[in-house]
Amino acid sequence: GQQVMQIPQYQHVQEGEDFTTYCNSSTTLSNIQWYKQRPGGHPVFLIQLVKSGEVKKQKRLTFQFGEAKKNSSLHITATQTTDVGTYFCAGLSGGSYIPTFGRGTSLIVHP
Amino acid sequence: DAGVIQSPRHEVTEMGQEVTLRCKPISGHNSLFWYRQTMMRGLELLIYFNNNVPIDDSGMPEDRFSAKMPNASFSTLKIQPSEPRDSAVYFCASSLWSWREQETQYFGPGTRLLVL
Repeated sequence: GQQVMQIPQYQHVQEGEDFTTYCNSSTTLSNIQWYKQRPGGHPVFLIQLVKSGEVKKQKRLTFQFGEAKKNSSLHITATQTTDVGTYFCAGLSGGSYIPTFGRGTSLIVHP
Repeated sequence: DAGVIQSPRHEVTEMGQEVTLRCKPISGHNSLFWYRQTMMRGLELLIYFNNNVPIDDSGMPEDRFSAKMPNASFSTLKIQPSEPRDSAVYFCASSLWSWREQETQYFGPGTRLLVL
């Protein structure tokens, strides 16, 4: 079945440093979503990417969908303590109607 | 809209007891998901309902787990008998479903279950 791998599992950064998490699928995806879960909270939708090579930005967050639609990344510029949490990708492959979540990347920002 | 509502928010029980988790999805959503989250295994999909019908329950761990959705506004996840390894956060999520389109999933606050 479809597998979605996320790396790294954890990332410690100093406040102001950049952060990137990567999501890789074993199959071609029809689309991919990104969610953020704050400590003690629940996953909250951030964005959805559909097109090959698509790039979307939300303030300091940049999301990319690979040309082959098998990988995606989330980049945060100049991290802040409010960015702390776990970032999940969720991919939907062709022929499936249930998205597969990656294990998530936990971001720890040191002030 | 109040969002996805889950109850109880916290549950502490003893091994062997029955546990029932409840979920009220967002009004108008026709898809409902139950997830389990642990440090070891991450976020696992347990079961998926569409229009109140269980579509995929391949993630349900074993016969001790059962889920129902008697109507569009209510679902339960039951564990009987509970075991310490069932301790986790259980999330319910709902979404609109359209064929081959992944709609945003709205997660509830979760139920934190501890089985002693």
